[in-house]
Amino acid sequence: DQQVKQNSPSLSVQEGRISILNCDYTNSMFDYFLWYKKYPAEGPTFLISISSIKDKNEDGRFTVFLNKSAKHLSLHIVPSQPGDSAVYFCAASRGWNTDKLIFGTGTRLQVFP
Amino acid sequence: TAGITQAPTSQILAAGRSMTLRCTQDMRHNAMYWYRQDLGLGLRLIHYSNTAGTTGKGEVPDGYSVSRANTDDFPLTLASAVPSQTSVYFCASSPNLSPNNEQFFGPGTRLTVL
Repeated sequence: DQQVKQNSPSLSVQEGRISILNCDYTNSMFDYFLWYKKYPAEGPTFLISISSIKDKNEDGRFTVFLNKSAKHLSLHIVPSQPGDSAVYFCAASRGWNTDKLIFGTGTRLQVFP
Repeated sequence: TAGITQAPTSQILAAGRSMTLRCTQDMRHNAMYWYRQDLGLGLRLIHYSNTAGTTGKGEVPDGYSVSRANTDDFPLTLASAVPSQTSVYFCASSPNLSPNNEQFFGPGTRLTVL
């Protein structure tokens, strides 16, 4: 049973446009969410996070939105750049500073010129 | 700073053989983790360790064992490999009080069991 779902395995966006990556979760006890970015042949790297007390967190070109009632979060990248081409994983946990991160299946983003 | 290193980078292993995947971190993080990444399944936690001397089972622990003799090292052992253990394995670590609750990942080990 996949508790964290990324239903779009891939996304293709033109450079300069907005990329929107979606993530849904089923466990209402999750209250901390993270996005990781992964390039080929490298480990995932942390991108941005949000706690359930917020509905938006912004860091430069990256913004994460959280809709707790819908159990849905999204990552917006504006403007998209070719270097953003990677696989993006969302992850969720119960509580901050916990050892249990549940990852989604990932979305491969391709940004083309 | 090296961060997290994993060895080997890749390995082809005959079924039934044993193997230990090595993971070392130099950040003095208390917690360490082993994940496997499979297409369509994302990253799944195999085992974890909150601090030296302790370990715990993750989501998919069967067929794997770990030890945590010190803070820096967290080896993952496959006692008798099977083809379903073909995967990319990532080691990760996290400090006790990470402001973002983030984990730091190594570059991965690609394992093929034939």
